[in-house]
Amino acid sequence: QKEVEQDPGPLSVPEGAIVSLNCTYSNSAFQYFMWYRQYSRKGPELLMYTYSSGNKEDGRFTAQVDKSSKYISLFIRDSQPSDSATYLCAMSGGYNKLIFGAGTRLAVHP
Amino acid sequence: GAGVSQSPSNKVTEKGKDVELRCDPISGHTALYWYRQSLGQGLEFLIYFQGNSAPDKSGLPSDRFSAERTGGSVSTLTIQRTQQEDSAVYLCASSLLGGAVYVTEAFFGQGTRLTVV
Repeated sequence: QKEVEQDPGPLSVPEGAIVSLNCTYSNSAFQYFMWYRQYSRKGPELLMYTYSSGNKEDGRFTAQVDKSSKYISLFIRDSQPSDSATYLCAMSGGYNKLIFGAGTRLAVHP
Repeated sequence: GAGVSQSPSNKVTEKGKDVELRCDPISGHTALYWYRQSLGQGLEFLIYFQGNSAPDKSGLPSDRFSAERTGGSVSTLTIQRTQQEDSAVYLCASSLLGGAVYVTEAFFGQGTRLTVV
């Protein structure tokens, strides 16, 4: 079993929809939770970072962490075609490497 | 430049040949990471450098893989006797410092797409 599980999709939604992306994990030592966006043939770019449990909002993006369920989510409101990308969750337990999910491919069509 | 720079962008090599991949981190960043992204997979940690400390090599998949970082700046990832399963995108990242908090603020380069034929 992988430490971090993420549905690879693809996920196709119409413009303006609310998108929900999720990851589950097994390592209770994880304290830092990140979401990265990766466009085709580009490196990942950090979208959101959350420490421990709770919610964090940044514009159209909301990240949620539920440590009791070992479940994290990223919500995208009013999705745009420019949001079409692969979204990667990543986690860290206080050491020097990130553990990534496989990434979910998202397509937002006009 | 302002970001992490990797070269070459693409590399096609014959099975059995050695390859070198280069990473120029953001100026002033002391921590440097190499990851590998295989088709349809998430990023897999390979190696981590922090200042003058001994690197964390725990993610290197075999002894055909090695990396060095000269002068605390540029890093080279070397793959000897390449195999077809080495085909992947190799991504480099850097952060201002090492440690649990700073690794969350790592910036990634665009990667080197390696194809072994």
